[in-house]
Amino acid sequence: SQQGEEDPQALSIQEGENATMNCSYKTSINNLQWYRQNSGRGLVHLILIRSNEREKHSGRLRVTLDTSKKSSSLLITASRAADTASYFCATAGSGNTPLVFGKGTRLSVIA
Amino acid sequence: SQTIHQWPATLVQPVGSPLSLECTVEGTSNPNLYWYRQAAGRGLQLLFYSVGIGQISSEVPQNLSASRPQDRQFILSSKKLLLSDSGFYLCAWSHPPGHISYNEQFFGPGTRLTVL
Repeated sequence: SQQGEEDPQALSIQEGENATMNCSYKTSINNLQWYRQNSGRGLVHLILIRSNEREKHSGRLRVTLDTSKKSSSLLITASRAADTASYFCATAGSGNTPLVFGKGTRLSVIA
Repeated sequence: SQTIHQWPATLVQPVGSPLSLECTVEGTSNPNLYWYRQAAGRGLQLLFYSVGIGQISSEVPQNLSASRPQDRQFILSSKKLLLSDSGFYLCAWSHPPGHISYNEQFFGPGTRLTVL
């Protein structure tokens, strides 16, 4: 079963606005990752946050992790039309086990 | 640098026909390899993963199978396709344990399979 659950399922915003997506999970994790998928393409890794980290930045991306609430958020600031894509969170447990992906949030940025 | 290849990019097959999708990775050794299926507008379903040659773990029982005949080659097969096998198939790789970024996965471009 999938561990990560993104919220909302779909999000539509104007260019320049900030976009926030949330992810909740159920079991303990080693790290949590966010991926982006353009329509009909493979996924691209955006950012990884470890279980002992609370916040991480990469360019216009800001990720937070609250292990007590088993949740993470991805914030994209000053969004652009090119940010239109689906965004997935994925959790990694201990050992050499595969990532578990959520169902994704479809983000539409309107120019 | 590492690259991952998948082919074909699109495939239309009749029900009951066989399937073979190939994935190869360049520029790394002993990668973990993964096959996912994605239904339209949905999340990723892990089908198989492999931590080494000949080692295959199946996540979902179905009429698909996977093989890893070489270190950087991962093949997804079926003897008889079903309508429900239609979807977008993604191959991915990650570094083996011990590498600084072994959890991060790198995805291929995908194969769009339509079973009619």
